[in-house]
Amino acid sequence: DVKVTQSSRYLVKRTGEKVFLECVQDMDHENMFWYRQDPGLGLRLIYFSYDVKMKEKGDIPEGYSVSREKKERFSLILESASTNQTSMYLCASSLIAGRNWFFGPGTRLLVL
Amino acid sequence: ELKVEQNPLFLSMQEGKNYTIYCNYSTTSDRLYWYRQDPGKSLESLFVLLSNGAVKQEGRLMASLDTKARLSTLHITAAVHDLSATYFCVAMRDDKIIFGKGTRLHILP
Repeated sequence: DVKVTQSSRYLVKRTGEKVFLECVQDMDHENMFWYRQDPGLGLRLIYFSYDVKMKEKGDIPEGYSVSREKKERFSLILESASTNQTSMYLCASSLIAGRNWFFGPGTRLLVL
Repeated sequence: ELKVEQNPLFLSMQEGKNYTIYCNYSTTSDRLYWYRQDPGKSLESLFVLLSNGAVKQEGRLMASLDTKARLSTLHITAAVHDLSATYFCVAMRDDKIIFGKGTRLHILP
C-alpha cells in the first residue's frame, strides 16, 4: 500500500513563526502536492512538484514556499505564519501526473 | 478556466433511500475522479472515470460520466450510515486539477 505520512497531525504556532510541514511518501512517486482545505472552499492547491528540486506554484502560493531535496520528501514552509493560514493542510502524491493521488492524513494548523 | 461545481453541498437522508450527487464542470476535462473524506481524516480515492459513458460501481455507490453534458453523478443506492462522509468530485485538464467544494452526506439511522 502507498503510504503518505505527514510530520504532525496537529500544530499550534504563533503569528510570525516559521513553520515547516513535512510530507514523506514511500512509493517512489514522482509527483507531490500540497493542498489546504477550508470549510466552504474545498481543497486548493498551494504548490506541487514533478521532480526533485522542481516546484511549481499552484492556485494560492502566496505566503508559502516548498522544498523538495529528495524524491520522497516534500516540505511546505510558512516563512512567517499568519492567522489566515490556520487550516488543514493535505499532502498528496501520485506516480503519474493526473493519475490517482494518495493523500496523507493531514495537518491541522492553528496560528494564534 | 476549469471550474467544478457540486450539488448539493449538504445532504441529509434516511437509511435505505436512494440519492444522487451531481458534479458539473465548465470545460472539457481529461478525466474525472470521486474521492471520499471521513470527518477528521484524509481523502480516499473511490472512482476514476476516463471516457464518455463510463460507469463504475462499488457496493452501494455508482459513478457515471457524460462528457457531452460535462456532468458526473455519484448515485447512492439504499444508503447506510457507514456512507456518511464528504464526497469530492475532481476534474483534471492538462495536468491542472480542480476539486469541487464537496458534498457533505449525512445518513440518518
